[in-house]
Amino acid sequence: GDSVTQMEGPVTLSEEAFLTINCTYTATGYPSLFWYVQYPGEGLQLLLKATKADDKGSNKGFEATYRKETTSFHLEKGSVQVSDSAVYFCALNAGGTSYGKLTFGQGTILTVHP
Amino acid sequence: NAGVTQTPKFQVLKTGQSMTLQCAQDMNHNSMYWYRQDPGMGLRLIYYSASEGTTDKGEVPNGYNVSRLNKREFSLRLESAAPSQTSVYFCASSPWGQLNEKLFFGSGTQLSVL
Repeated sequence: GDSVTQMEGPVTLSEEAFLTINCTYTATGYPSLFWYVQYPGEGLQLLLKATKADDKGSNKGFEATYRKETTSFHLEKGSVQVSDSAVYFCALNAGGTSYGKLTFGQGTILTVHP
Repeated sequence: NAGVTQTPKFQVLKTGQSMTLQCAQDMNHNSMYWYRQDPGMGLRLIYYSASEGTTDKGEVPNGYNVSRLNKREFSLRLESAAPSQTSVYFCASSPWGQLNEKLFFGSGTQLSVL
């Protein structure tokens, strides 16, 4: 079946450091890929998405490129801020009759120190 | 704008008790979802409703029932709670349940079953 694997956390960085959170997936067909972010005490919010191979999603300084050859969708940010501290989830939608259902990775906790 | 509203925010149950988690959205969305979030496991789909009048099982439906009361409301019922159902529950909605759509999440219900 479909699955998403994220790098083990937690990740702890200093402010202005470079961030990479790895995400790989297994899916049949041509899934859409997403990164969601969950701030403390809140529900998940869409951070960015990519719908086909080689697409780059970007938002708030975060970027991720849909790599079909390596089945990956790694999240990157050049300079993190304390306000980026959150849990980050990689997810896919396999399409077909999935009716918008998402398959999530296990989440990566990011803590950024001043 | 309220978006997706879940009640209650916190609940403690004893094994064998029943309860209903309520969810309502004010965005006129057709599709609604119930997920559970457990540490190290990301979010897993319990049930979903592609449109008013339809419901289908997700990845982990055992021990739960749902009702799509109308287009706005989608409730999740635990008939006989078990400690394994201790989790954070999220309701979500999307406009049409299509491949590339963003899901809108509520802020969650933290449930403990003793």
